[in-house]
Amino acid sequence: SAVISQKPSRDICQRGTSLTIQCQVDSQVTMMFWYRQQPGQSLTLIATANQGSEATYESGFVIDKFPISRPNLTFSTLTVSNMSPEDSSIYLCSSRRKGLASNEQFFGPGTRLTVL
Amino acid sequence: AQTVTQSQPEMSVQEAETVTLSCTYDTSESDYYLFWYKQPPSRQMILVIRQEAYKQQNATENRFSVNFQKAAKSFSLKISDSQLGDAAMYFCAYRSANRDDKIIFGKGTRLHILP
Repeated sequence: SAVISQKPSRDICQRGTSLTIQCQVDSQVTMMFWYRQQPGQSLTLIATANQGSEATYESGFVIDKFPISRPNLTFSTLTVSNMSPEDSSIYLCSSRRKGLASNEQFFGPGTRLTVL
Repeated sequence: AQTVTQSQPEMSVQEAETVTLSCTYDTSESDYYLFWYKQPPSRQMILVIRQEAYKQQNATENRFSVNFQKAAKSFSLKISDSQLGDAAMYFCAYRSANRDDKIIFGKGTRLHILP
């Protein structure tokens, strides 16, 4: 199994500012993902964080708005840039070991972001 | 593209009773995985149960079991002897057997447990 921690657990930010969320996994995993969960909604994949290369973004999400870093196999950051109230959501980090399709995918506790 | 549909936004069940949450999915693939995740108020996503599409036998995990109907593309979750701690959002999810593929989540069902 994998234990995922995220920092901060919550934050309240002003419009126009940026927030960087950190994700740390306690074991080496090859796949890391960032999800957004808007209030009362399901999880939507933002991007897959790739080590040593640019993240792979899903439709509707762009690097300028959600820059992602992944300097090693256990750590990734997601930045929410130039925030607006519409960015108020829970942001979840997730990881999975590559190799077997049956490998379980684990989730962090999420970061609750409120933009005023 | 694959889709996952949960048609019950909310459900309630009396403590100690049995409840079934519905899920249907659409895919043209023959090999895939289906999951039920639980998200309690703590926000921590927890894997409840997993089903491999190539297995005919329904998966079970203690009080949790699924009814997997591959031809009908249906994957319901049955919770027996419901407990107060089962109160949460439950998400049905799909992932292709392509090992690098992403998980697709349904919209979720909020389960209330009545004491």
